[in-house]
Amino acid sequence: EIVLTQSPATLSLSPGERVTLSCRASQSVITYLAWYQQKPGQAPRLLIYDASNRATGIPARFSGSGSGTDFTLTISSLEPEDFAFYYCQQRRDWPITFGQGTRLEIK
Amino acid sequence: EVQLLESGGGLVQPGGSLRLSCAASGFTFTTYAMTWVRQAPGKGLEWVSTITGSRGGYSTHFADFVKGRFTISRDNPQNTVYLQMNSLRAEDMAVYFCAKEGDYTQLGVNAFDIWGQGTMVTVSS
Repeated sequence: EIVLTQSPATLSLSPGERVTLSCRASQSVITYLAWYQQKPGQAPRLLIYDASNRATGIPARFSGSGSGTDFTLTISSLEPEDFAFYYCQQRRDWPITFGQGTRLEIK
Repeated sequence: EVQLLESGGGLVQPGGSLRLSCAASGFTFTTYAMTWVRQAPGKGLEWVSTITGSRGGYSTHFADFVKGRFTISRDNPQNTVYLQMNSLRAEDMAVYFCAKEGDYTQLGVNAFDIWGQGTMVTVSS
């Protein structure tokens, strides 16, 4: 099973700041990695697929990069609605796995 | 509008069974892999099962923790995917989300671009 480790677990920042979230895979997932945002009581929302492709309707302030085992999600300038949980997910191999999540909270 | 609507959750005793349904609309259902993901209270997302679409021959895949207990199926004319859950345990208690793969590549199961609102499964005596 491919284990995804996200860091940090929690991040406290202010609106307008730039943030980078990390996701590290226990073995190469090539670029088969996605990022999701989830707010309390809501379903996850796809942000980035295959490492660097923004999903439909996702603002340009969200960007993804990486390949192999190391990936990042960057939000260039935090908006109030961006404070949420973020999860990475790999589709390189079965079983599909998710990272444990990063909580992005308002400072 | 592309939409997924789950139903079938509820309270069940340990060892009991439930069948979850996910009704899809707004897209060509047969084409896409459909997946169940769960989230226990206060915890992260956990992949449960996938049934591929026509491209993948409707193959099924399961997380180890549900193998032999859960089955996944799809009724293409009814645009519905099911998760039959047997021998339920306390640790199966979670919100179960249905998700559709995106239309990105022809390789494997794509990331999940559309999610339902989830249905809660409570396992308790």
